[in-house]
Amino acid sequence: DAKTTQPTSMDCAEGRAANLPCNHSTISGNEYVYWYRQIHSQGPQYIIHGLKNNETNEMASLIITEDRKSSTLILPHATLRDTAVYYCIVRVLGQDFGNEKLTFGTGTRLTIIP
Amino acid sequence: DAGVTQSPTHLIKTRGQQVTLRCSPKSGHDTVSWYQQALGQGPQFIFQYYEEEERQRGNFPDRFSGHQFPNYSSELNVNALLLGDSALYLCASIQMGSYNEQFFGPGTRLTVL
Repeated sequence: DAKTTQPTSMDCAEGRAANLPCNHSTISGNEYVYWYRQIHSQGPQYIIHGLKNNETNEMASLIITEDRKSSTLILPHATLRDTAVYYCIVRVLGQDFGNEKLTFGTGTRLTIIP
Repeated sequence: DAGVTQSPTHLIKTRGQQVTLRCSPKSGHDTVSWYQQALGQGPQFIFQYYEEEERQRGNFPDRFSGHQFPNYSSELNVNALLLGDSALYLCASIQMGSYNEQFFGPGTRLTVL
């Protein structure tokens, strides 16, 4: 799986959009971009994933650049409950169907400021 | 519908002892993975079980072993505990063949003194 680079920490004002960047310059054509987050003392929680098109769900939006070498996770209206560590992961989807080893980095610690 | 459950929540052991951690997957899931998360680090993959067999393993010594039962629940065993084994141990489950995301449990906090 390709390696990712994320900023160590970020702050965002409550109610504003939080934009979390991720670089994955060595991503290959069949690798997806996944985002998970981990609120203090809890297990990681899936947020969203995508291949090359922008994706949106009830939690967030994922913007992937045309060359796929970087992406941005957008939390449109950040709340205090969004304070967490956010992990960007790239991996091949469907490899061995369900044999999904996730390779986590150290992530971005996002703090939402009241 | 219960999600992934793990027991115990916290555990304190001394060096050299052995420990067993338990995980029950989310309903409908048949594949269980274990991760170790040291303080300030991201989770690191230990191994994955499907059909009661270890299918994939990360870079962990043989002191780490596991088991999966017919009801898909799983155990993680660690022998000859070291201080460096102190960590949050996470269990994740998925249904084999599914393109859905993995669900993680709340973890077991192991402290080795």
